[in-house]
Amino acid sequence: DVKVTQSSRYLVKRTGEKVFLECVQDMDHENMFWYRQDPGLGLRLIYFSYDVKMKEKGDIPEGYSVSREKKERFSLILESASTNQTSMYLCASTTGGGGRSKLFFGSGTQLSVL
Amino acid sequence: AQSVAQPEDQVNVAEGNPLTVKCTYSVSGNPYLFWYVQYPNRGLQFLLKYITGDNLVKGSYGFEAEFNKSQTSFHLKKPSALVSDSALYFCAVRPPERSNDYKLSFGAGTTVTVRA
Repeated sequence: DVKVTQSSRYLVKRTGEKVFLECVQDMDHENMFWYRQDPGLGLRLIYFSYDVKMKEKGDIPEGYSVSREKKERFSLILESASTNQTSMYLCASTTGGGGRSKLFFGSGTQLSVL
Repeated sequence: AQSVAQPEDQVNVAEGNPLTVKCTYSVSGNPYLFWYVQYPNRGLQFLLKYITGDNLVKGSYGFEAEFNKSQTSFHLKKPSALVSDSALYFCAVRPPERSNDYKLSFGAGTTVTVRA
């Protein structure tokens, strides 16, 4: 079965901490994404990656960075966590196909920044 | 830029009744349209998509959706709702023109509650 695994289900961090959210997919997908989900706002794209070492900004990249050193792993980094980054973070991946392919999502990481 | 609107925050129906979750979109050209569902404490799951062809598409769990180009809508429907359909539903859109653009724009979501 296809799987996208996020390393933590719940995280609590302090303001100013550096935070790493890890995502691994086992489907050999080229494309990986980080979204944040907030009530009433839906899913908003933070960053995405088309290939190893490639990254593109999404709609709300400020305060975040990403790393993709291996095809199966896509990391989201909060350089200095702030309270407005408290949110549910969802990782997703998909194969090629000109955007016709569905996204496979991880179970999410609920991050609380205190 | 593309956008998606889900005009209803919540939809409440009785079990056995028809269920409709509304979605309208704004995008240049012919869109690719998707529905995803999020069950409590779980990640999003794909339900169905419209790429081209027949305007009525069928998906998982008995759901279907109708693409209406003139009304720029892609409403999700189920003829007879189940209590287990209670979940958060997201509509998503992307324009097909750029072959290497995989970004989806999601709606705000609609919470569906099916009462027994």
